[in-house]
Amino acid sequence: EIVLTQSPATLSVSPGEGATLSCRASQNINFNLAWYQQKPGQAPRLLIYGASTRATGIPDRFSGSGAGTEFTLTISSLQSGDFAVYFCQQYNTWPPLTFGGGTTVEIK
Amino acid sequence: QVQLMESGGGVVHPGTSLRLSCTASGFDFNQYGMHWVRQAPGKGLEWVAVITYDGGQEYFADSVKGRFTMTRDNSKSTVFLHMNSLRPEDTAVYYCAKHLRGFYFDHWGPGTLVTVSS
Repeated sequence: EIVLTQSPATLSVSPGEGATLSCRASQNINFNLAWYQQKPGQAPRLLIYGASTRATGIPDRFSGSGAGTEFTLTISSLQSGDFAVYFCQQYNTWPPLTFGGGTTVEIK
Repeated sequence: QVQLMESGGGVVHPGTSLRLSCTASGFDFNQYGMHWVRQAPGKGLEWVAVITYDGGQEYFADSVKGRFTMTRDNSKSTVFLHMNSLRPEDTAVYYCAKHLRGFYFDHWGPGTLVTVSS
């Protein structure tokens, strides 16, 4: 099973600032990584797939990068609706599909 | 637009069974595999199972293997998660999700809560 480790667990950011979230895989997963945003009481929403491709309707302040075992989600100029929990997910090797433990982006 | 809607959650005792349903609309349901993903209260996401587009194959997380099964009825655009021998650790919101080209999830339902408690 591929383990995904997200860091930091919590990120405190002021509105308008940028944020960088990390996801590390226990084995090479090539570019087969997705990022999701989840707000309280809601289902996750797909942000990024293929490590760097934005999903439909996702603003360009969200960007993904990385390959192999190291991945990054960057959010430039955080807006109020961006404060949420972010999960990464690998789909290179399954079953099982696996998720990281999540990073909470909170208002500083 | 794509819509997924789960139903069937509730409060059950340990050792009992429950069937969840997920009804889909807005896409060619019989062309896509469908997944269940769960989230225990205050916790992260855990993939549970997938069924192929034609119902021919299913795959499960080790935590539910042998206890859960999946079926689908393409004529009704519905997938089912049959949960047996439920345990308190199965308590979670269960989401059904559709994958896109890879096994990442481009659409999710709002989820249904399953609580296993004596």
